[in-house]
Amino acid sequence: GEDVEQSLFLSVREGDSSVINCTYTDSSSTYLYWYKQEPGAGLQLLTYIFSNMDMKQDQRLTVLLNKKDKHLSLRIADTQTGDSAIYFCAENDTGGGNKLTFGTGTQLKVEL
Amino acid sequence: DVKVTQSSRYLVKRTGEKVFLECVQDMDHENMFWYRQDPGLGLRLIYFSYDVKMKEKGDIPEGYSVSREKKERFSLILESASTNQTSMYLCASSPTSGPGNTIYFGEGSWLTVV
Repeated sequence: GEDVEQSLFLSVREGDSSVINCTYTDSSSTYLYWYKQEPGAGLQLLTYIFSNMDMKQDQRLTVLLNKKDKHLSLRIADTQTGDSAIYFCAENDTGGGNKLTFGTGTQLKVEL
Repeated sequence: DVKVTQSSRYLVKRTGEKVFLECVQDMDHENMFWYRQDPGLGLRLIYFSYDVKMKEKGDIPEGYSVSREKKERFSLILESASTNQTSMYLCASSPTSGPGNTIYFGEGSWLTVV
């Protein structure tokens, strides 16, 4: 089955760039996603990338996709304290339907 | 904006009780999902539904059942709650088509079984 892996923690200083990494196993995934979860809340879609793209940029967010290595990353430029959250990557389940397989989540802590 | 509403944010139930977690979405989405979230394990799919009265098992269906009598409502049922079902439960919905078939989440229901 599909497997999505992330490191559990990342700590950065305010103003620096954050890079959150993810590896996945299903090479036939059509879309890959990044979700953000703030404390006590549900998941909010940040961005997604179609599998035939290498890069997608949206304001402070840059998503890079390396299909050969099955590696996805999310870069947050000029990281702010409000970016502190858990970030999940996810891939769609090509086995049928619109299911997503999520990674374990990366807790991002932004320090002053 | 899409809204997925989980009626109970925090619940405390006793072992053996029957528990209902309710979820309603207002965007006429065909697909609905129940996940549970545990530290270090991420989100795991319990059940999902593609249509009214239709349900499919996810990765961890044991100890749970679901009901979808109306398109907008998807209920998760714990027939006999156990302490290992203490967790955060997340409901989600998505359209069948659309850019990325984006999945939208509710705010979550924190369930403690004592």
